[in-house]
Amino acid sequence: NTVMTQSPTSMFISVGDRVTMNCKASQNVGTNVDWYQQKTGQSPKLLIYGASNRYTGVPDRFTGSGSGTDFTLTISNMQAEDLAVYYCLQYNYNLTFGSGTKLEIK
Amino acid sequence: QIQLVQSGPELKKPGESVKISCKASGYTFTDYAMHWVKQAPGKGLKWMGWINTYTGKPTYADDFKGRFVFSLEASASTANLQISNLKNEDTATYFCARLSLTTVGDYYVMDAWGQGASVTVSS
Repeated sequence: NTVMTQSPTSMFISVGDRVTMNCKASQNVGTNVDWYQQKTGQSPKLLIYGASNRYTGVPDRFTGSGSGTDFTLTISNMQAEDLAVYYCLQYNYNLTFGSGTKLEIK
Repeated sequence: QIQLVQSGPELKKPGESVKISCKASGYTFTDYAMHWVKQAPGKGLKWMGWINTYTGKPTYADDFKGRFVFSLEASASTANLQISNLKNEDTATYFCARLSLTTVGDYYVMDAWGQGASVTVSS
């Protein structure tokens, strides 16, 4: 099974900050990685697919990068509505979610 | 518009069974696989497996083999998750999610999710 290790577990941030979170795969998954955002009490929502492609309607402050085993989600100019938990998902070998990165206000 | 509407909250005792439904609308049900995801209280997302909505064949993640059954009522555009012999650790919210193939790059995405169905197991 492919393990997706996300870091950090949580981050305390301020509006306007640049935020970077990471996901490391236990084996090469190519670019078969998506990123999802889950706000409290809601279902997850797709942000990034294929490691670096922004989904329809997602603001351009969200950027995904990486390939192979190392992936990054960056939020430039953090907004209050971006407070959420972010999950990576690999689908190269079955499907595995990362453990999540929670963004909280400083 | 595309919608997945799940059944309501359930309160069950250990050893009982529960069936959760996920009704799809706004698209051709049999054109997209349906996946199931578990989220225990305060925890992350865990992929449970999926069902081929065209053939009805289910595939289960290792941790969900045995007591978990995915099924369809294709005529009603509905996917179901049944859990038997419930245990306390089955207390969670269960999401259904549609898996699509993108037109750019042939990537897979879960582009539609149900609102989640809460199952509480308590004696």
